[in-house]
Amino acid sequence: GDSVTQMEGPVTLSEEAFLTINCTYTATGYPSLFWYVQYPGEGLQLLLKATKADDKGSNKGFEATYRKETTSFHLEKGSVQVSDSAVYFCALRKTGANSKLTFGKGITLSVRP
Amino acid sequence: EAGVAQSPRYKIIEKRQSVAFWCNPISGHATLYWYQQILGQGPKLLIQFQNNGVVDDSQLPKDRFSAERLKGVDSTLKIQPAKLEDSAVYLCASSQMSPLGEQFFGPGTRLTVL
Repeated sequence: GDSVTQMEGPVTLSEEAFLTINCTYTATGYPSLFWYVQYPGEGLQLLLKATKADDKGSNKGFEATYRKETTSFHLEKGSVQVSDSAVYFCALRKTGANSKLTFGKGITLSVRP
Repeated sequence: EAGVAQSPRYKIIEKRQSVAFWCNPISGHATLYWYQQILGQGPKLLIQFQNNGVVDDSQLPKDRFSAERLKGVDSTLKIQPAKLEDSAVYLCASSQMSPLGEQFFGPGTRLTVL
């Protein structure tokens, strides 16, 4: 079945450091790919998405590129802030009537001042 | 625009008791999802409704879990009887009917089964 694998965490960085969070997926067909973020005490929010190969999603300084050849959707940010501390989930969604999201385990990011 | 509402936010029960969660989706959203998020894991779909019909309930433990969405708006998820392993956050999400419609999540209900 479909699955999403995220790198093991947690990740702790200093402010202004470069961030990469790895995500790979297994799925038949051509899924859409997503990054969701969960800030402390809040619900899941969509951070960015890409719907086809080579698409780049971006939001709030975060970017991720849909790489079909490596089945990856790694999240990057050039300079993290303390306010980026949260749990990040990679997810995929197939097209069709069943539009459920399949999530990875999530990774906790802590950014030190 | 109001977001997805869920209640209660927290619930503590003993095993073998029953519990119910309520979700009110964003107005006009035809599709409603219930996800279970166990600590340290990503959310897992339990059931998906399109209006008041079930699209996918393949991961719903039907011997103890039930869900309904009367009139295609609000939804309730029930567990009876609860087990220790049901301790989790139960997330409700909704989206428009479009296949690419973004899913908006509620704050979740944290269930602790003792």
